[in-house]
Amino acid sequence: NAGVTQTPKFRVLKTGQSMTLLCAQDMNHEYMYWYRQDPGMGLRLIHYSVGEGTTAKGEVPDGYNVSRLKKQNFLLGLESAAPSQTSVYFCASSYFEGSEQFFGPGTRLTVL
Amino acid sequence: KQEVTQIPAALSVPEGENLVLNCSFTDSAIYNLQWFRQDPGKGLTSLLLIQSSQREQTSGRLNASLDKSSGRSTLYIAASQPGDSATYLCAVMDSSYKLIFGSGTRLLVRP
Repeated sequence: NAGVTQTPKFRVLKTGQSMTLLCAQDMNHEYMYWYRQDPGMGLRLIHYSVGEGTTAKGEVPDGYNVSRLKKQNFLLGLESAAPSQTSVYFCASSYFEGSEQFFGPGTRLTVL
Repeated sequence: KQEVTQIPAALSVPEGENLVLNCSFTDSAIYNLQWFRQDPGKGLTSLLLIQSSQREQTSGRLNASLDKSSGRSTLYIAASQPGDSATYLCAVMDSSYKLIFGSGTRLLVRP
């Protein structure tokens, strides 16, 4: 099992550009999450999904959109990237809402 | 609002030393607490998960304790090794099943 994978690993964008980050899990987990990690801070929840076709806002959702068209995939979109979105983005999944979360390797995004 | 604090932010110890990492949280109404390890440029690896009804969990040289009433958890690492060098993150799952993270303790174990 690959667990949780993220694509791409690194990306540099210019202000105003758009992009999509892909998260995939092969553990048949219902719940998936997107977090961002900034220097000196812990991870903060952006959006999450409780199952295929569902999405919900987390702590810092502004400027991001998500979609969960397939159970194994969770996409994070930036419609118009801003320098404040420079961060490391982590995807995670869990079997149910209170269970252990498993994390992907992260995507390092720089917005110039 | 739940807040999670980890002290110290950084720690340097000689190899072989036993050490304790601290985590405190402001709201005792938690579902569980997890300790993670993060290596530079890598993702998070779950080390130990303590349910709210438990007092401690052990895995090899690691022991994590939980005192909900005082809002504290500790991660004890026995006989530290250079390979233990990493950032250790504490996260509490609140009553709405959201993980709230501390900012981590960066550990360096010197050979």
